[in-house]
Parts: sequence; C-alpha cells; structure tokens
Amino acid sequence: GENVEQHPSTLSVQEGDSAVIKCTYSDSASNYFPWYKQELGKRPQLIIDIRSNVGEKKDQRIAVTLNKTAKHFSLHITETQPEDSAVYFCAASYSGGGADGLTFGKGTHLIIQP
Amino acid sequence: SQTIHQWPATLVQPVGSPLSLECTVEGTSNPNLYWYRQAAGRGLQLLFYSVGIGQISSEVPQNLSASRPQDRQFILSSKKLLLSDSGFYLCAWSIYTGELFFGEGSRLTVL
Repeated sequence: GENVEQHPSTLSVQEGDSAVIKCTYSDSASNYFPWYKQELGKRPQLIIDIRSNVGEKKDQRIAVTLNKTAKHFSLHITETQPEDSAVYFCAASYSGGGADGLTFGKGTHLIIQP
Repeated sequence: SQTIHQWPATLVQPVGSPLSLECTVEGTSNPNLYWYRQAAGRGLQLLFYSVGIGQISSEVPQNLSASRPQDRQFILSSKKLLLSDSGFYLCAWSIYTGELFFGEGSRLTVL
C-alpha cells in the first residue's frame, strides 16, 4: 500500500517569511495529492490539491509542486500570517480506483512567530 | 451543496460503556464514507470505510465496529470502551475524483 512521509514535524517561521513542507510517497500509481489544514480542535480542511498531470498549482499565497519522477510534493506558503498557524497534512491516493481513501502524512505543526 | 453532520460533538464515557457516533451526508448519493481517529498527537488513522449500504472495510482490528444502514448514514460503535479509545473521531465522505471532506468531529474521552 501507499506510504507517505512528511517533513518537518514542526516548523517555526517569522511572520512574513515563507514556509515549505515536503512529502514523499511510495506508490507510483498515486495521482491525487491534497493538502489539509487543521486548526486546533477543528476538522482538517482541504486547502489545495494537485493531480499528476500538472507540476505546480497556485492559489494566492499557497502553492503546491509535484515531482512524479522523484515521488515528492511540497506545500509553499508565502508571506506567512498568524492565521497560517495550524497543523498541515499532506496525502496521496489513486483517485478513480481504490475506495480506501487517502494515505496521510503525520502532519507538520506550523508556528508563525510575530 | 453537500454537507456532512456528525454527532455528538463531545462525550465522556466510562471504561466498559458502549459507544455510538453517527454521521450523515446530505446533497450527494452513494458517497464513499470513512471513519478516522486522531489520538493525542496529530496523525489521522483510518478505521473503517464503506463504498455502499452494508459494505464495511476495516483497516485496524480493534473493539470498534461500523455500520452503514442507509446510503448516507455511517455509524461507529463499540460494545465496551477502552481507555485507548479516547481521541478525536472524524467522519468523512469522498467522491470519485478523490477529494475527502471531513465532519466536525467527535471528541471522546474514556475515563
């Protein structure tokens, strides 16, 4: 089955700086890579995703890149703000095939220092 | 639009007592449904998933069970809770394109 590794487990950055979270996956058949943000005590929410037919996707201050050859993908947050503080999860799956859902990384606790 | 409801939001139960968490989805038909658990720390552990009424797949053997009596209803149960069952339980649904959407979660404390 799929295995997703996520680094770092904790990331502290100054407000206004950029943050990068990296994930690797093991199953070359995976073709869907979402990122979730979970604020304290709340449910994870989808913030951006990418499919294997593209290499990069942006949404305002958030971007995700995918390298299928190396089997890794990354989340980039620019101009970080206090509200970006949360736990971020990457995930991978083969969409349109298996129903066993996403395989998640263990999460990154992002801390934005004022 | 699709919505997912999960309840109760919080519960405190003694060891050995039963458990029932319920989840319903509105605005879609024949969704894939999931139960995840998030223990202390951060990881999301898949417990059960279902592709249709009465169809349940278990990812982790334990004293929990799941049922899907209706297309958009998913229930997580236990006959006797253990201390290790404490955690944040999340119901989720997905469509064929892979996006997964979570309910608001149920925080269970077993004493």
